[in-house]
Amino acid sequence: DTEVTQTPKHLVMGMTNKKSLKCEQHMGHRAMYWYKQKAKKPPELMFVYSYEKLSINESVPSRFSPECPNSSLLNLHLHALQPEDSALYLCASSLAGMRQPQHFGDGTRLSIL
Amino acid sequence: GESVGLHLPTLSVQEGDNSIINCAYSNSASDYFIWYKQESGKGPQFIIDIRSNMDKRQGQRVTVLLNKTVKHLSLQIAATQPGDSAVYFCAEILIQGAQKLVFGQGTRLTINP
Repeated sequence: DTEVTQTPKHLVMGMTNKKSLKCEQHMGHRAMYWYKQKAKKPPELMFVYSYEKLSINESVPSRFSPECPNSSLLNLHLHALQPEDSALYLCASSLAGMRQPQHFGDGTRLSIL
Repeated sequence: GESVGLHLPTLSVQEGDNSIINCAYSNSASDYFIWYKQESGKGPQFIIDIRSNMDKRQGQRVTVLLNKTVKHLSLQIAATQPGDSAVYFCAEILIQGAQKLVFGQGTRLTINP
């Protein structure tokens, strides 16, 4: 079982809905990440939080809004998504930075109607 | 384009044989590499990592080789088992600009009984 927990596992939403994806880890990791993975493609980095501060935003559209309430939690707020945003959204964490292994959750499978 | 790539998109091996999955990278300044395994419906699972000051690193049934001269990375899996069936990604830390983990396209490993 993964030590990074993501909820929900599946989410179907309309283009006008607002929803949030949640990620939690209790490994004491201080870096947390959001990735997007389309079918048959590798994960692509979206956001990086380091010590609860946003350190990298890979030019992600503003309809995706990350939040890191504390060192164990990471949220991704969704609003006015497009059908092409349908994908697997993966959360990961690492001890302190990029040069340490990132541990991934099993993702949220998001479908936009 | 992607700085990390794989030579073959699919690989089939007989159960019990050794598997070798290859990866080429183009950024000679990269200094940290990771192999991940992703099973269907799950997030990427850390297998093994290697830093550029090493040529070889061994884990349980896995060995990673790094050839910096030709910018090549490989993952060897000994005595392949059915549970090894998955997509394998190599990943590289790009150190130009903001550091980030970049995944290769992946190789699907299929184990034949």
